[in-house]
Amino acid sequence: DQQVKQNSPSLSVQEGRISILNCDYTNSMFDYFLWYKKYPAEGPTFLISISSIKDKNEDGRFTVFLNKSAKHLSLHIVPSQPGDSAVYFCAASAQNQGGKLIFGQGTELSVKP
Amino acid sequence: KAGVTQTPRYLIKTRGQQVTLSCSPISGHRSVSWYQQTPGQGLQFLFEYFSETQRNKGNFPGRFSGRQFSNSRSEMNVSTLELGDSALYLCASSNAGTSNYNEQFFGPGTRLTVL
Repeated sequence: DQQVKQNSPSLSVQEGRISILNCDYTNSMFDYFLWYKKYPAEGPTFLISISSIKDKNEDGRFTVFLNKSAKHLSLHIVPSQPGDSAVYFCAASAQNQGGKLIFGQGTELSVKP
Repeated sequence: KAGVTQTPRYLIKTRGQQVTLSCSPISGHRSVSWYQQTPGQGLQFLFEYFSETQRNKGNFPGRFSGRQFSNSRSEMNVSTLELGDSALYLCASSNAGTSNYNEQFFGPGTRLTVL
């Protein structure tokens, strides 16, 4: 049972444009959501997070939106840069289980010059 | 601050053997979580240790075990290795106490190959 889903395995975007990565979840107990970026043979790098009491969090070029009623979140990268090319993972944790992250399958972003 | 470190980075074992992986968290972090990444199953949670106690556990067989020491360093052990245990094993630390809202920071991983 995939509790966190990233339905797009890959996404290709032109440099300077917006990248939108999507994530859906099924467990209504999830109350904290995170996005990680990962290069091959490396550990994931934390990008941005959002708690369920908010619907938006922004950090530089990265913005995460949370729609709790739809159980959906998205990561916007504006403007996209070639260095953003990597696999992006959405993750979620439930209340009192902050040490246990449930990950989506990842979306490979390719930003073309 | 130094990041999360994992040793060894690469390991080759044969079926039936056992293996121990080590993780040193970021200084001051008391929570250490372990994950397995495989092409087919993605990133899956193994277990979390906090103050030397296992606090959360994923759906892995008992062959997978771990422990945490008083300095927060953690080890995970896999006994009776199977071919399917070949994976990237990732360790992450956070300063999570009772708050749920803490980011986890990952180490570079240990690439385990079982022949």
